[in-house]
Amino acid sequence: GQQVMQIPQYQHVQEGEDFTTYCNSSTTLSNIQWYKQRPGGHPVFLIQLVKSGEVKKQKRLTFQFGEAKKNSSLHITATQTTDVGTYFCAGRLPFSGGYNKLIFGAGTRLAVHP
Amino acid sequence: DVKVTQSSRYLVKRTGEKVFLECVQDMDHENMFWYRQDPGLGLRLIYFSYDVKMKEKGDIPEGYSVSREKKERFSLILESASTNQTSMYLCASSLPGLDEQYFGPGTRLTVT
Repeated sequence: GQQVMQIPQYQHVQEGEDFTTYCNSSTTLSNIQWYKQRPGGHPVFLIQLVKSGEVKKQKRLTFQFGEAKKNSSLHITATQTTDVGTYFCAGRLPFSGGYNKLIFGAGTRLAVHP
Repeated sequence: DVKVTQSSRYLVKRTGEKVFLECVQDMDHENMFWYRQDPGLGLRLIYFSYDVKMKEKGDIPEGYSVSREKKERFSLILESASTNQTSMYLCASSLPGLDEQYFGPGTRLTVT
């Protein structure tokens, strides 16, 4: 079936270093979303990318959607301890109707050492 | 703010018991979802519902059923709990045509 692969599974960085997580789909996506889950918390929506080649920024976070709409990345510049958590990508398959069915990646757990 | 609540944060049940997990959202969302979250596997969709009394199987529906009698409430039922259903269960809701999903706090279920 359709899959969304996310790498790395886990990364720990020193505070101030950059961090990137990558998402790859086996099929073309209608859009891709990113969620953040703090330790002990629940996933919280960060952003949605829809257009081929789209790039969006939220402060130190940069999100990209590939030209073929099969891959995406989240880059954090100069990580802070508040960035700790698990980052999930979630792709929407084409022709999934109005049901908003998403395929989630396994997540990348980010640890930041002060 | 959208609020999605789940009936329990932690639940311990015995093998073979019938288990009900309740989810309520207060924003009149048509779509509701049940996921389970396991380490290294991310979120896997169990069932979803796009309207009252309507339901669709997700990727891992075996061993589960759902009920949606009212728009704001979506229940997940484990007919006969098994140890491999020990997991974190997350409920979510969204509006049709909008992909942003709002998640509840989760229920950590342990089946012994």
